[in-house]
Amino acid sequence: GAVVSQHPSWVICKSGTSVKIECRSLDFQATTMFWYRQFPKQSLMLMATSNEGSKATYEQGVEKDKFLINHASLTLSTLTVTSAHPEDSSFYICSASPALDRGLGYTFGSGTRLTVV
Amino acid sequence: GENVEQHPSTLSVQEGDSAVIKCTYSDSASNYFPWYKQELGKGPQLIIDIRSNVGEKKDQRIAVTLNKTAKHFSLHITETQPEDSAVYFCAASIGGTSYGKLTFGQGTILTVHP
Repeated sequence: GAVVSQHPSWVICKSGTSVKIECRSLDFQATTMFWYRQFPKQSLMLMATSNEGSKATYEQGVEKDKFLINHASLTLSTLTVTSAHPEDSSFYICSASPALDRGLGYTFGSGTRLTVV
Repeated sequence: GENVEQHPSTLSVQEGDSAVIKCTYSDSASNYFPWYKQELGKGPQLIIDIRSNVGEKKDQRIAVTLNKTAKHFSLHITETQPEDSAVYFCAASIGGTSYGKLTFGQGTILTVHP
């Protein structure tokens, strides 16, 4: 089955520093990947759609200069939280699908717990 | 855009009982409806999905039903076990496009008591 690998699983950083999260599709190519943010006891909120070879599409209210997305290859998308602050602390999850043209089969990574101190 | 409402927010059952979680969606163009199980500190895991050309789908103890006319779909878990305890999310998307993003419901915390 489709596997999406996400690293790191958790990270603690100091306020003002930047953190990079990687999302890899292990056994399929993904021209599109999705990045979500999830606060405790809440649902997943789509932050942006990552497109291989082009700019990401951000959802309304998401700061694109704050959350930099790079989709440099068909199997790797990265999310960089720049100048992180405590309010950026959250659970970040990526997703991809080997059959996006049919709109199904979304597989999620294991998530990254970011804590900014 | 699409809006997905999920109920109940919490559900407590005894082991062996059935559990039902319901979702409604707003966009009649949505045609793909997955259900995810999320355990604490982990990413969501797909447990079952259904497409709009099907009214019901079953996989062992788990089933999903879809009513396109009413725009609602439900997850049914029979013979619940303590390991079924988790947060369950429904979602909807418009397939067949290159931008088939998922819209999630609010989630249901299912607790199965031994």
